[in-house]
Amino acid sequence: QLQLQESGPGLVKPSETLSLTCTVSGGSISSSSYYWGWIRQPPGKGLEWIGSIYYSGSTYYNPSLKSRVTISVDTSKNQFSLKLSSVTAADTAVYYCARHSGAFDPWGQGTLVTVSS
Amino acid sequence: EIVLTQSPGTLSLSPGERATLSCRASQSVSSSYLAWYQQKPGQAPRLLIYGASSRATGIPDRFSGSGSGTDFTLTISRLEPEDFAVYYCQQYGSSPRLTFGGGTKVEIK
Repeated sequence: QLQLQESGPGLVKPSETLSLTCTVSGGSISSSSYYWGWIRQPPGKGLEWIGSIYYSGSTYYNPSLKSRVTISVDTSKNQFSLKLSSVTAADTAVYYCARHSGAFDPWGQGTLVTVSS
Repeated sequence: EIVLTQSPGTLSLSPGERATLSCRASQSVSSSYLAWYQQKPGQAPRLLIYGASSRATGIPDRFSGSGSGTDFTLTISRLEPEDFAVYYCQQYGSSPRLTFGGGTKVEIK
């Protein structure tokens, strides 16, 4: 059974870079037909797709975040990562990773990242 | 960018009743690339429906999806206690931007 798990700091200072990693278990991140994505959810609000990556390294990002986002993949560790630069309080959210071929399934449990000094 | 508008914002119903949730797109969603998710407090969203009408693995048949073009519906035929949650639609027919609706909360009346 495929499982995803997010990891990274729960607190980031304003203007710094948020860094998270998603570890995939129970399957290979190099399987074809799937992308691997990041989605976030501010407290009490809805879902926002951040961006996605293919195992080959091909990426596509939400245009509204593109200038600040970098997603990378490490197939040897079965992981993919998110970097979001120049964060502000508006970036405070639960960050999820998920596999997708359009629809997202399955999802990681999510990790809360708070931006505060 | 395709904007998804979900209605109503909140649906108050009793167990056993039928729930009908709407998701309207600002432009046509190609090939019915629309999904529905259920999210309970403190949990990640769970995929219910993809391709507008196909149930994901393990999803009970009381959940059904329909629609095409700009109008989509999620129907829960008879609400079970565990179905009270927030539901989101998501389109994946318009690259490079994948978008979600704002959600519909189904609460116990």
